Amino acid sequence: QKEVEQNSGPLSVPEGAIASLNCTYSDRGSQSFFWYRQYSGKSPELIMSIYSNGDKEDGRFTAQLNKASQYVSLLIRDSQPSDSATYLCAVVNGYSGGGADGLTFGKGTHLIIQP
Amino acid sequence: DGGITQSPKYLFRKEGQNVTLSCEQNLNHDAMYWYRQDPGQGLRLIYYSQIVNDFQKGDIAEGYSVSREKKESFPLTVTSAQKNPTAFYLCASNAELADTGELFFGEGSRLTVL
Repeated sequence: QKEVEQNSGPLSVPEGAIASLNCTYSDRGSQSFFWYRQYSGKSPELIMSIYSNGDKEDGRFTAQLNKASQYVSLLIRDSQPSDSATYLCAVVNGYSGGGADGLTFGKGTHLIIQP
Repeated sequence: DGGITQSPKYLFRKEGQNVTLSCEQNLNHDAMYWYRQDPGQGLRLIYYSQIVNDFQKGDIAEGYSVSREKKESFPLTVTSAQKNPTAFYLCASNAELADTGELFFGEGSRLTVL
């Protein structure tokens, strides 16, 4: 069974600074990786996906993937109080029957941006 | 607007009762999923379906049942056999043959057993 590990936090970052969130995964064959943001009491929303080694940037967000180290990270630049949420790392379980077998999620890192 | 609709948002159940959570999507997605989330925990996969009239167990299927009679609908029944049913239930979907696997979630249903 795939495992995804995250530090639960809370991770406290001053407003305007860079927040760095980390995730490791157990299955070396994993190919697709996602970061979801979840506000308290709400459902997760996809903010980044990454499939190849290296960096992928989207606005203030940068996802980094290192398959050799089985490590995924998310950087949030110019952190805002509205970024305060739980960030979930997820890995695709696999593919069968022509579709994905769902995602395995980490327990999430609680991020607090201090004004 | 396209999306995933879950109902009810809040549900209270007495011990020993079955309850069914609704999930409807108009995204024309083939694959649908049910997850459970407990406080301070990540999401755990209950059941998923990649095509109508077919579904597979996830990691924690015991005490749950599903059906997939229509592409748009994937209801989840929490049976009395589920020992700790109080949780936040999330329905999700993605397009078949998507090589990404990314999921889109509904707003969730919060079930409390009294």
